[in-house]
Amino acid sequence: AQSVTQLGSHVSVSEGALVLLRCNYSSSVPPYLFWYVQYPNQGLQLLLKYTSAATLVKGINGFEAEFKKSETSFHLTKPSAHMSDAAEYFCAVRGSNYQLIWGAGTKLIIKP
Amino acid sequence: ETGVTQTPRHLVMGMTNKKSLKCEQHLGHNAMYWYKQSAKKPLELMFVYNFKEQTENNSVPSRFSPECPNSSHLFLHLHTLQPEDSALYLCASSQEVLADTGELFFGEGSRLTVL
Repeated sequence: AQSVTQLGSHVSVSEGALVLLRCNYSSSVPPYLFWYVQYPNQGLQLLLKYTSAATLVKGINGFEAEFKKSETSFHLTKPSAHMSDAAEYFCAVRGSNYQLIWGAGTKLIIKP
Repeated sequence: ETGVTQTPRHLVMGMTNKKSLKCEQHLGHNAMYWYKQSAKKPLELMFVYNFKEQTENNSVPSRFSPECPNSSHLFLHLHTLQPEDSALYLCASSQEVLADTGELFFGEGSRLTVL
């Protein structure tokens, strides 16, 4: 069965610093992996996705994620945090019934 | 209007009330979903509709009753809810249920408080 673990319910970084949000997955089949972002008082929107092509995936707003099969990881990074990046980030893997299985989310806090 | 629209944005109800949540998508998608979002928990998939037909019901209590009259509209009828049902209810749509893209388009949610 597929599952997703996001390490850290809250991550705090200073503006301009590197953002690293961690996601580990479990999947019995080659995974399809996703990062979604939820800004305050809004629904979720797709940030980026891995669907078995390039292992380094670029998304919107300067975010990228690298698929590492040996580590079963799909960590999200951004070189320089901006105040507008403050949001909750969700990692997900596509399950055997094609529905998404979600992590519990990581709230990103940006310090001025 | 564009995207996925949910009404009402906020709802407070007693345990004996009957209310409904409404979702409308303007994207021409064929699949619609209800999710429950509670703090510090993964999103819980409740129901999936594909071309107006229900394809998933994840053991949701019968006090939640979905309705999908067409591919653009989805309702969640609520009755005799419990305080633990208080949560953000998110509606989403996608081009197809079994799409490889996995991209879901979400509404802003309906914040439900059960007293």
